[in-house]
Amino acid sequence: GNSVTQMEGPVTLSEEAFLTINCTYTATGYPSLFWYVQYPGEGLQLLLKATKADDKGSNKGFEATYRKETTSFHLEKGSVQVSDSAVYFCALSDLYNQGGKLIFGQGTELSVKP
Amino acid sequence: NAGVMQNPRHLVRRRGQEARLRCSPMKGHSHVYWYRQLPEEGLKFMVYLQKENIIDESGMPKERFSAEFPKEGPSILRIQQVVRGDSAAYFCASTPGEGDEQFFGPGTRLTVL
Repeated sequence: GNSVTQMEGPVTLSEEAFLTINCTYTATGYPSLFWYVQYPGEGLQLLLKATKADDKGSNKGFEATYRKETTSFHLEKGSVQVSDSAVYFCALSDLYNQGGKLIFGQGTELSVKP
Repeated sequence: NAGVMQNPRHLVRRRGQEARLRCSPMKGHSHVYWYRQLPEEGLKFMVYLQKENIIDESGMPKERFSAEFPKEGPSILRIQQVVRGDSAAYFCASTPGEGDEQFFGPGTRLTVL
């Protein structure tokens, strides 16, 4: 079945450091890929998405490129801020095979120190 | 336009009691997904509903759990005879249509004593 694997946390960085959170997936169809962010005590917010191979999603300085050849969707940001501290979830959705439900990775906690 | 509402935000139950979790989707949204987040884990899909219909319940435990989304009113996730292992955060998400972006509520954190 479809699945998502992301790098384990917690990840601790200093402000203005470069961020990469790895995400790889397994899917039988042609899924859409997502990154969600969860701040403490809150629900998930969509950070960015990509719906087909080679698409790049971007938002708030974060980027991720849908790589079909490596089945990856790694999240990157060039210069993190303290306010980026949160848990990040990679997810996929295979609308035509699985009706749009999201399959999530286990989450990666990011802590950014001043 | 109010976002997805969930209540209660925190719920404490003793073993054997019933838990009812409510989700009011965004205005104009007729599709609801429920997910469960166990401690230190990612979110797991439970059930997908449209108004008055259960579309996919492949993630629901076979016993004690049920969900509904009536024509009027919120979607309800019901857990009968709760056990400690049911302690988790339960999130709902709504969309205007299948495959559209899912908007998440703040979650209900269930604690079973």
